[in-house]
Amino acid sequence: GQQVMQIPQYQHVQEGEDFTTYCNSSTTLSNIQWYKQRPGGHPVFLIQLVKSGEVKKQKRLTFQFGEAKKNSSLHITATQTTDVGTYFCAGLTGTASKLTFGTGTRLQVTL
Amino acid sequence: DAGITQSPRHKVTETGTPVTLRCHQTENHRYMYWYRQDPGHGLRLIHYSYGVKDTDKGEVSDGYSVSRSKTEDFLLTLESATSSQTSVYFCAISRTEHGYTFGSGTRLTVV
Repeated sequence: GQQVMQIPQYQHVQEGEDFTTYCNSSTTLSNIQWYKQRPGGHPVFLIQLVKSGEVKKQKRLTFQFGEAKKNSSLHITATQTTDVGTYFCAGLTGTASKLTFGTGTRLQVTL
Repeated sequence: DAGITQSPRHKVTETGTPVTLRCHQTENHRYMYWYRQDPGHGLRLIHYSYGVKDTDKGEVSDGYSVSRSKTEDFLLTLESATSSQTSVYFCAISRTEHGYTFGSGTRLTVV
């Protein structure tokens, strides 16, 4: 079946440093979505990328979708303590809008 | 959040007993999903529904059943709970360009 891998599993940065998480799928994706989950919370939708090579920005967050539609990345510029949480990518394939989630990258930010 | 609620929020049950978790939505969305979240595994799809009485299996469906007799309710049943089913369970609805909206989760402990 489809597999979606994320690296790194965990990253600890100091506030102000940049952060990047990478997502790779074993199959071509219709689209890719990114979610953030704060500790003790539920995943919250951040963004969806649909087109090959697409780049989208949300303030300090930059999302990219690979040319082959099999990989993606999330880059955070100048992290803040409010960025703490686990970031998941999720790939959409097949029918019924099913998402296959990556294993997540946990981000810890300290002052 | 977008009219999706899960109940109960926490439950402790004994091995071998049946358990039913409830997901309720107020926005008439067609697609609903049950995921479980475990450390190191991210979110894994258990079952999903694409309409009233229309359900299908996800990647980790063994030991679980679902029912959807009304658009707004999607029930997940653990037929005979085992310790391996100790997990956090999330229900979600699909909102097309706005990704999934998740419920707050049910933390289930099987002792």
